[in-house]
Amino acid sequence: DIQMTQSPSSLSASVGDRVTITCRASRSVYSYLNWYQQRPGTAPKLLIYAASNLQSGVPSRFSGSGSGTDYTLTITSLQPEDFATYFCQQSYSRRSFGQGTKVEIK
Amino acid sequence: QVQLVESGGGLVKPGGSLRLTCAASGFPFNDYYMTWIRQAPGKGLEWLSYISTSETTLSYADSVKGRFTISRDNAKNTVYLQMNSLRPEDTAVYYCARDRWATVPNLDYWGQGTLVTVSS
Repeated sequence: DIQMTQSPSSLSASVGDRVTITCRASRSVYSYLNWYQQRPGTAPKLLIYAASNLQSGVPSRFSGSGSGTDYTLTITSLQPEDFATYFCQQSYSRRSFGQGTKVEIK
Repeated sequence: QVQLVESGGGLVKPGGSLRLTCAASGFPFNDYYMTWIRQAPGKGLEWLSYISTSETTLSYADSVKGRFTISRDNAKNTVYLQMNSLRPEDTAVYYCARDRWATVPNLDYWGQGTLVTVSS
């Protein structure tokens, strides 16, 4: 099984900040890497697929990059509605999620 | 519009069984893999299982293999998760999601979830 590790587990940031979340796979997932946002009490929402493709309707302040085992989700100019938990997920070998990164208000 | 509605959750005793249902609408159900994911209270997401369009490919997480069974009825636009030998650690919100194979497989629509509580 492929293990996904996110860092940090949580972070505090202010509106307008640039935020970067990292996801590392235990072996290469060949860009079979997706990112999701989950606000409290709601279902997760797809943000980025195939490492760097923005899902339709997602604001352009969200972007993804990476290859092999290391991937990054970046939020430029954090907005109030972006305070949430973010999960990476690989779909190269079955499926597995990272443990999540909670973005909190500083 | 795409809708996924889970049902069938509830309180069940350890060792018991439950069948979850996910009713889909707003898209050609026959054309999509479907996936179940769960989230224990205050925890992260755990992938459980997916099923191919014609049920020829099934995949399970090790944590549920042999206890849970995924199936679908394309005539009813419905996917199921039969859960047997339930344990307290199976307590979670269970989500179904559409498994879209665009460039790479991804979960582009999710239901609202149904809560399963395993307790005596």
